[in-house]
Amino acid sequence: GAVVSQHPSRVICKSGTSVKIECRSLDFQATTMFWYRQFPKQSLMLMATSNEGSKATYEQGVEKDKFLINHASLTLSTLTVTSAHPEDSSFYICSATGLAGVQEQYFGPGTRLTVT
Amino acid sequence: GQNIDQPTEMTATEGAIVQINCTYQTSGFNGLFWYQQHAGEAPTFLSYNVLDGLEEKGRFSSFLSRSKGYSYLLLKELQMKDSASYLCAVKGGANNLFFGTGTRLTVIP
Repeated sequence: GAVVSQHPSRVICKSGTSVKIECRSLDFQATTMFWYRQFPKQSLMLMATSNEGSKATYEQGVEKDKFLINHASLTLSTLTVTSAHPEDSSFYICSATGLAGVQEQYFGPGTRLTVT
Repeated sequence: GQNIDQPTEMTATEGAIVQINCTYQTSGFNGLFWYQQHAGEAPTFLSYNVLDGLEEKGRFSSFLSRSKGYSYLLLKELQMKDSASYLCAVKGGANNLFFGTGTRLTVIP
């Protein structure tokens, strides 16, 4: 099956700094990648949708200047949390689609971000 | 807006059958997914329904009624490893995936 990786799996950063999370599709070309955030004991919340080579579409309430998304190639999307605050601590998960005829989104293993 | 409802928690006995319901109201519909998620891990795909009816896949089955905005996931012959959260997700008109709050299932001996 299709494999999506994320790096890093865990990251701790200080308040005010920025952190970048990478999402890669390892064995297929991902025309669309999605970024989700999940707080403890809650479901996934879609943050933004990114298509290769174009600007990301952000969901209502998600600050595009704070959560920078770049989808520079068909196998890589990055999410940069800028000027992180403790309330940004969460589980960030990416997913990707792109296989012809396949409706399913393939999820990465997630990144646990802790801002101190 | 999108509204997807599931029970928050359920408990069932090992070897039994459990049905997890999901109701939805969304702008656009391009299919409904069920995912399983263990704590601290990413969701894994279980099933996809786009037409009305029952889809069976081993111990798991999923049902969809588009006119009622309703789906359920049926788990048979429950095993302890089935203890997890089960997420109902609807693909909307823009092909984005919107998740319900998830149902935390606990399987007891």
